Amino acid sequence: QVQLVQSGAEVKKPGSSVKVSCKASGGTFSSYTISWVRQAPGQGLEWMGRIIPILGIANYAQKFQGRVTITADKSTSTAYMELSSLRSEDTAVYYCARDRGLLGFDPWGQGTLVTVSS
Amino acid sequence: QSVLTQPPSASGTPGQRVTISCSGSSSNIGSNTVNWYQQLPGTAPKLLIYSNNQRPSGVPDRFSGSKSGTSASLAISGLQSEDEADYYCAAWDDSLNAHYVFGTGTKVTVL
Repeated sequence: QVQLVQSGAEVKKPGSSVKVSCKASGGTFSSYTISWVRQAPGQGLEWMGRIIPILGIANYAQKFQGRVTITADKSTSTAYMELSSLRSEDTAVYYCARDRGLLGFDPWGQGTLVTVSS
Repeated sequence: QSVLTQPPSASGTPGQRVTISCSGSSSNIGSNTVNWYQQLPGTAPKLLIYSNNQRPSGVPDRFSGSKSGTSASLAISGLQSEDEADYYCAAWDDSLNAHYVFGTGTKVTVL
């Protein structure tokens, strides 16, 4: 049974960066894809990008190109999402999820609240 | 922003049937399968339906999904109080770089 556990809440200043981790247990980490999704307060879900750890290849939603970097460390079964040049609109809960392609995202991490405030 | 359109809300009394629509385009629903997620208050989303109409293990059979052309729908039959949640449709979109798109979300209220 795959489980994803994310790092804790963060408070950041505008213009800074944040790096959120997502540690997997169960299954074979390098064999599956991890996607990142965010949800602003009271808003819907927004896909940010994904990584295939075994290939080390990531692709990103156009909206976040140049500002987001998704990486994976196979040795620790951990995926990371780093978002730079933070602004108040980036305040959101950030989720990682195992991306099963056409079969959907399952399971999800518990979410990490990132608050951007001066 | 979301490219799949859902009604903002739906409601029903316990035992009723509720249906949620999801409208997309040829580059997403028209080309790929649809997934549905349930998000209970204060929790992470959970996969409810995948590949248009398949239920993951543990999902009650009162939840069903369907797809036709560029639209999809989720039905909840025998509505229960614990079904009060937000529901999102989603699909891969093949326009430009492949990316995953979510619906606008529907809040289901059990009256």
